[in-house]
Amino acid sequence: DTEVTQTPKHLVMGMTNKKSLKCEQHMGHRAMYWYKQKAKKPPELMFVYSYEKLSINESVPSRFSPECPNSSLLNLHLHALQPEDSALYLCASSLGSGTETYEQYFGPGTRLTVT
Amino acid sequence: GEDVEQSLFLSVREGDSSVINCTYTDSSSTYLYWYKQEPGAGLQLLTYIFSNMDMKQDQRLTVLLNKKDKHLSLRIADTQTGDSAIYFCADTAYSGAGSYQLTFGKGTKLSVIP
Repeated sequence: DTEVTQTPKHLVMGMTNKKSLKCEQHMGHRAMYWYKQKAKKPPELMFVYSYEKLSINESVPSRFSPECPNSSLLNLHLHALQPEDSALYLCASSLGSGTETYEQYFGPGTRLTVT
Repeated sequence: GEDVEQSLFLSVREGDSSVINCTYTDSSSTYLYWYKQEPGAGLQLLTYIFSNMDMKQDQRLTVLLNKKDKHLSLRIADTQTGDSAIYFCADTAYSGAGSYQLTFGKGTKLSVIP
């Protein structure tokens, strides 16, 4: 099973709302990732968790707050977003993050629209 | 930093072969990946190749690697309309703190004409 699941599939939120995106995998992977993808662009890395610890934060604004409650779950908490944050948010996981051999498996994404 | 380049568009007729090309700059790359993204979906890992290999074949997919020229290609034999998607080439780059991350090309949009 190489499945990464994400909920919700679509989300529309106002600039004053607080919402969360969820990601789950049961492959025993110890690294999990959040990416942001704008239309017609490649994914951009936001955060990396390795063994439930935040290892990379690619200078993401504080209105995005990641959380890794356990090795299977990854959340992205959203607060006071801007319309330019509208994008497809992709979660991925890999066996680890400390070697090039660990291929990443992606979820289907959450399509976020900020109004 | 690491740079990965791809042509943006490719159009082929159903049943023909498609060849998607990619170049990268990091000479220390050891693994290179091909991902497929259908409209509105996430990325699907198609295949990957280790740098000590010149070629890898998996059913209709053939990956060719020219390490000297830092050139990677993905050939899809007998292209079908279901192959229409965006194909991303990705390299792994060391990002510090013992971690590696993917560097993606801009993606090649493959359109298959029935």
